[in-house]
Amino acid sequence: DGGITQSPKYLFRKEGQNVTLSCEQNLNHDAMYWYRQDPGQGLRLIYYSQIVNDFQKGDIAEGYSVSREKKESFPLTVTSAQKNPTAFYLCASSIDGWSSGANVLTFGAGSRLTVL
Amino acid sequence: EDQVTQSPEALRLQEGESSSLNCSYTVSGLRGLFWYRQDPGKGPEFLFTLYSAGEEKEKERLKATLTKKESFLHITAPKPEDSATYLCAGSYDKVIFGPGTSLSVIP
Repeated sequence: DGGITQSPKYLFRKEGQNVTLSCEQNLNHDAMYWYRQDPGQGLRLIYYSQIVNDFQKGDIAEGYSVSREKKESFPLTVTSAQKNPTAFYLCASSIDGWSSGANVLTFGAGSRLTVL
Repeated sequence: EDQVTQSPEALRLQEGESSSLNCSYTVSGLRGLFWYRQDPGKGPEFLFTLYSAGEEKEKERLKATLTKKESFLHITAPKPEDSATYLCAGSYDKVIFGPGTSLSVIP
């Protein structure tokens, strides 16, 4: 079955450590996204990529980094510069990027990061 | 700045008690209005896309409608398995999500 796989599902980080969240899709989608979800808030966009080897900052990119070396993969690194990283992180994909219209997002199951 | 808001924040219904969830959005530049369902600890699942005022879509006990400035998700005779958070999102030059409505259906 096609879908998005996120790993790990749970992750604990000590202060000062960088951690990387994995996101893999087998839907042959061009666009991929990372969102952060906090209790009582809507999903906030961290980074997005509409094509391989290209990505753009979202609304809350500070303290995060990404890469898009393959169409299927869009890993997110949470760096030590992110001061409040404890959150639920969601990876998503769509057939095309936003410039082509209203595209349905397909989400992974999420990764929950906790800072100790 | 484009905005999407949802009300109520939380809704508790008895099984079989119909109700509606509201989503208000910035009208200018809207390309489409989405509804997603999210279960605890999981990613959102797509329910509906609406494109123009007057449009309606149905799926089982759910019906989504769109007016010129609001969207409603009507839930008819809900069952406990309908308990979830329902997210509304507007597609502009990017997708903007509302904060969601947490629905609890009590047997």
